[in-house]
Amino acid sequence: GENVEQHPSTLSVQEGDSAVIKCTYSDSASNYFPWYKQELGKGPQLIIDIRSNVGEKKDQRIAVTLNKTAKHFSLHITETQPEDSAVYFCAAMGPGAQKLVFGQGTRLTINP
Amino acid sequence: GAVVSQHPSRVICKSGTSVKIECRSLDFQATTMFWYRQFPKQSLMLMATSNEGSKATYEQGVEKDKFLINHASLTLSTLTVTSAHPEDSSFYICSASNLAGVFYNEQFFGPGTRLTVL
Repeated sequence: GENVEQHPSTLSVQEGDSAVIKCTYSDSASNYFPWYKQELGKGPQLIIDIRSNVGEKKDQRIAVTLNKTAKHFSLHITETQPEDSAVYFCAAMGPGAQKLVFGQGTRLTINP
Repeated sequence: GAVVSQHPSRVICKSGTSVKIECRSLDFQATTMFWYRQFPKQSLMLMATSNEGSKATYEQGVEKDKFLINHASLTLSTLTVTSAHPEDSSFYICSASNLAGVFYNEQFFGPGTRLTVL
């Protein structure tokens, strides 16, 4: 089955700097890769996703890149703000699989 | 995106009792709902997948007789933790999707339910 590895487990950056979180997946058939932000005591919220037919997607300060050959995808947050502090999860889903397989999570702390 | 609610948000119960958690999709028809469990500082672990009108499919290691799932309508799924014990204390999160709709692939997550078993 699919296996998703996420790094780093914790990340601390200065406000205004960029943050990058990386994930690798094992199943080359996976074709949907969402990123979720989870604040303390709350459910995950989708912040951006990418499908296997594109290599990059951007939404304001957030971007995701996908390298299908290497089977890895990354989340990029630019001009970080204190409210970006949270736990971020990557996930992968195969065609027709319905199930999301999550990475281990990254605790991002933005230092003012 | 679509909105998913959970009730209750927090529940404390005595060991041996049963607890029911509701998951509702408020503005779309959820053909499939998922139940996850999350321990502190850990990732989400899928417990089961339920399709409306059919029996849930449980992940390996999840006891179906202990975690009863019902998906009786396109907007409601329930998870009942039977004979709860302290080790069942966790954060339970549901998500909903509609594979046939415009939100293909996307799962919309509820706010979670914190279960504490004394």
